[in-house]
Amino acid sequence: SQQGEEDPQALSIQEGENATMNCSYKTSINNLQWYRQNSGRGLVHLILIRSNEREKHSGRLRVTLDTSKKSSSLLITASRAADTASYFCATGSGGSNYKLTFGKGTLLTVNP
Amino acid sequence: DADVTQTPRNRITKTGKRIMLECSQTKGHDRMYWYRQDPGLGLRLIYYSFDVKDINKGEISDGYSVSRQAQAKFSLSLESAIPNQTALYFCATSDPEGSGGPTDTQYFGPGTRLTVL
Repeated sequence: SQQGEEDPQALSIQEGENATMNCSYKTSINNLQWYRQNSGRGLVHLILIRSNEREKHSGRLRVTLDTSKKSSSLLITASRAADTASYFCATGSGGSNYKLTFGKGTLLTVNP
Repeated sequence: DADVTQTPRNRITKTGKRIMLECSQTKGHDRMYWYRQDPGLGLRLIYYSFDVKDINKGEISDGYSVSRQAQAKFSLSLESAIPNQTALYFCATSDPEGSGGPTDTQYFGPGTRLTVL
């Protein structure tokens, strides 16, 4: 069963606006990652935040993690049409049997 | 990611046929994974392998089998394909030896679109 659950399922914005996507999860984690998928293609890793971190930046991406609320958010600033894609959060947990569990994704559409 | 390749990229087959999907990687990673993606359901883990001698079932392994022929190769087989196995299949690799502890960032292949009629 999926660990992470993204919200909203779909988001449509205009170019230049900021896009915020949220992820909630149920059990304790080692880290949380965000991936991007262009239509029908493989997922591409965007950013990883560890359980002892609260915020991380990478270019126009900002990720926050609140372990007390078991939630994370991904903010894309100054969005571009090329940011149109599905975005997935993935939680890492499990000790020696470590693997990722993916959510169902948020479909972001950035209109030019 | 060109370092992870999947063949075939598209396949149409009939119910009851045996199908093999192949994955090769040049990243030198020990860990490899097979996922399927269905609309609205995200990615679900079928099988994973942490090294050549290690094979583990994921959450939806029924109807599938795998073979880890070498560090670089991980194949997924459908012994007798059925229509509800129609999906997009992804192979991925990971390297847990990132700085600061295991990161398990995954690197995905381009996917195989499988249609079972």
